[in-house]
Amino acid sequence: DVKVTQSSRYLVKRTGEKVFLECVQDMDHENMFWYRQDPGLGLRLIYFSYDVKMKEKGDIPEGYSVSREKKERFSLILESASTNQTSMYLCASSPHGLAGANEQFFGPGTRLTVL
Amino acid sequence: AQSVTQLGSHVSVSEGALVLLRCNYSSSVPPYLFWYVQYPNQGLQLLLKYTTGATLVKGINGFEAEFKKSETSFHLTKPSAHMSDAAEYFCAVRESSASKIIFGSGTRLSIRP
Repeated sequence: DVKVTQSSRYLVKRTGEKVFLECVQDMDHENMFWYRQDPGLGLRLIYFSYDVKMKEKGDIPEGYSVSREKKERFSLILESASTNQTSMYLCASSPHGLAGANEQFFGPGTRLTVL
Repeated sequence: AQSVTQLGSHVSVSEGALVLLRCNYSSSVPPYLFWYVQYPNQGLQLLLKYTTGATLVKGINGFEAEFKKSETSFHLTKPSAHMSDAAEYFCAVRESSASKIIFGSGTRLSIRP
């Protein structure tokens, strides 16, 4: 059974802090994704990675960076947190191949509040 | 460019009634289509997906969806709603040559006793 875990379910940070969100998957998936979810906007892709040390910008990368040093781990970094980054952050992974019908498996999400 | 439109941000039905959640997409090439469900305080879980072949797709928990190319639609249905179906539902599309999945804005389904 595929499992995607995220380091925190709830997180409260202050404006200007550096924030790390961690995601780990246990199914040896090549692809990993970070989304943010906001009411009425659905899921928006921040960054994705299709291999170790590889990353691609999604639709809303501004204010974020990522790191993928190991295949199973994909980190999202907020260099200087701002209140407009208060959101639910979802990590996902999928098997090899960027295209195709491979479904994405999601973690439980991290609800981040920036004060 | 791909896009997904979910009609109705909130749908409310009575327990035992038909569930119909609407999804329309735009895609320049044959798409792959997905429905995901998100229960409160959880991540997304795949309900069903359309790749090729049979246009009526059956998923988990009694849900099904029909791909209608002429209408560019992929509506989700369930004949009889159950209280446990209360959740948020997301339609998503991926072009066969694309690397990203595009999600709709979601539809929150409420079930009245």
